[in-house]
Amino acid sequence: AQTVTQSQPEMSVQEAETVTLSCTYDTSESDYYLFWYKQPPSRQMILVIRQEAYKQQNATENRFSVNFQKAAKSFSLKISDSQLGDAAMYFCAYRSASGGGADGLTFGKGTHLIIQP
Amino acid sequence: DGGITQSPKYLFRKEGQNVTLSCEQNLNHDAMYWYRQDPGQGLRLIYYSQIVNDFQKGDIAEGYSVSREKKESFPLTVTSAQKNPTAFYLCASSTSTSGRRKTQYFGPGTRLLVL
Repeated sequence: AQTVTQSQPEMSVQEAETVTLSCTYDTSESDYYLFWYKQPPSRQMILVIRQEAYKQQNATENRFSVNFQKAAKSFSLKISDSQLGDAAMYFCAYRSASGGGADGLTFGKGTHLIIQP
Repeated sequence: DGGITQSPKYLFRKEGQNVTLSCEQNLNHDAMYWYRQDPGQGLRLIYYSQIVNDFQKGDIAEGYSVSREKKESFPLTVTSAQKNPTAFYLCASSTSTSGRRKTQYFGPGTRLLVL
């Protein structure tokens, strides 16, 4: 079974600064997806960014980028120019890419990101 | 607008009562999922369905039941056998093509409380 670990329960950053959230995972599979989801106080889960394991290039979405290290099984999220609206819980998630076996996402326990004005 | 709707937003259950949470999507997605979120925890998979009239247990299916009679709908019943049902419940859906699973998109959630 796959596991996802987020070792930082809470992070704080000044507005306009850069912050990096850590995520490690354990799997025996070679083909999979990794995701970062944001959960603001409304509790709606919002997709931030997605990475396919077979792609070596790190995914980027505007101010959000990842550092995907497949050999180290590490998938960190970098938020540049932090904004007050970035304050939320951030969850790292894993999903097998191939058919067969249980479907669904495996989540870490989350990192609470605080933005200081 | 396309999206996933969940109702009700809040639900109260009495001891020994079964309650049903609704999830509807108009994204034409094949696969649908139910997750449970407890305070300070990530989401855990309850049930999923990759096609109409078929569904599979996830990691924590005990005390829950589902049906998938229509592509658009995937209701979750919390039965009296679920001894600790207080949690936030999230429904998700995704396309499923050629065996490669796609991104899951989530509904707004239902908060279930026990009276």
